[in-house]
Parts: sequence; structure tokens; C-alpha cells
Amino acid sequence: GAGVSQTPSNKVTEKGKYVELRCDPISGHTALYWYRQSLGQGPEFLIYFQGTGAADDSGLPNDRFFAVRPEGSVSTLKIQRTERGDSAVYLCASSSTSSGTEAFFGQGTRLTVV
Amino acid sequence: GESVGLHLPTLSVQEGDNSIINCAYSNSASDYFIWYKQESGKGPQFIIDIRSNMDKRQGQRVTVLLNKTVKHLSLQIAATQPGDSAVYFCLIGGSQGNLIFGKGTKLSVKP
Repeated sequence: GAGVSQTPSNKVTEKGKYVELRCDPISGHTALYWYRQSLGQGPEFLIYFQGTGAADDSGLPNDRFFAVRPEGSVSTLKIQRTERGDSAVYLCASSSTSSGTEAFFGQGTRLTVV
Repeated sequence: GESVGLHLPTLSVQEGDNSIINCAYSNSASDYFIWYKQESGKGPQFIIDIRSNMDKRQGQRVTVLLNKTVKHLSLQIAATQPGDSAVYFCLIGGSQGNLIFGKGTKLSVKP
């Protein structure tokens, strides 16, 4: 596609459930980033992939959060045993190289845990 | 839609005036800096970037200044327009390639 695509755009889930958020980066982009943005706050770094591997996962808040990128393109952010505090907009971005180039953002997935 | 900027510092300017938005960073090893604009309910949009081997870069109506000595970055918008109203973030590139957001500023342009 022409840009970074995130699906679903909105997700409502019950507390304790498992959710998966998907990110389709721009074709050929090797770097992929996940961020979480709470209402009225700046985006918080979660994890960064370079190809298939997680180059930096220091932002994942706890072991309920996990992300994969098995073929170096699409990435899935997985959240187990969701909590109300996980409610936020989850943003994905991709860029063409490991550093020093513009990152393109998707529109985000708004996750609401009820 | 999502409302961005409820708890962020706000800069109010009159239409036609120049705006200056600032960003401080802490890691002296940072080597790449980007300014993004985020409108309510949307993902961040690229405005301009600068590498650590430069101290100034100009685009259309925008200028980014980098002061590595004090680890400070600024975005200057000339002749600010109502369409410039948004939240502005700096994004700091680390040596590992990760990109970390700095604190944002909400720009409000009064017509």
C-alpha cells in the first residue's frame, strides 16, 4: 500500500481478554516501530524492529505485551489479559533504514478495555 | 475523535506571527532529529528533519535549529496559519536506530 496501515482502527475488548493489533508497513521498509499514546499525552515507545528481530523492546511495559514480525514486513502487537489501563491509541511507524530517515506513521488503533 | 494535547504545554499565537516550539533531549549520542505534527485523531505527520552534523535546516515556512552543546532543538514556523494548529513533537533518533518522542507542544493559532 501507499502508507502504513493499521487494523483494526478501533477495538473494544473486555478486561482480561487477549487482543492482537496489526501493522502493515510501507513495502520495503526494514524498520518498524510501535508506540502507545494515552489521551492527552505524547506517544510512548514500546518496541522497534529491524527486519524480523526486535532491536529494542525496552519500552514494553510488562510481559503481557509482546510483538512479532516473523517475515520482516507485517507486525502484530499482542496484549494478554488486557487491563483498563491498556486503553490507548497504539501507533505503528516504519522507515526505510535503521536510522537517519523519516518514519511514516499509521493512523493508529484505538484500544478500549471495558 | 482522539483529542491530543489536553495535558501538553500550549503555545498561542496570532495568525501571521512566527511560532517557535522547543524540545530538549538528554542523550548526547542522539544523531537524528525529526519534527512531527499531530492533528486530533490522526497519526503524526513528518515536517522536517535534521542530522547531528548540521545546526540549521530550512523547509517551506519551517526552520529547525539544533544546538548540540545544550541538547536543544527548535522548530520555527513563519507566518503561522490556522491550519498549523496541532500538537508538535520532536522525535529523537538514537544510535541503535530507535526513535523516541520528546514532550509535545500544542500550538493554537488565533485568527
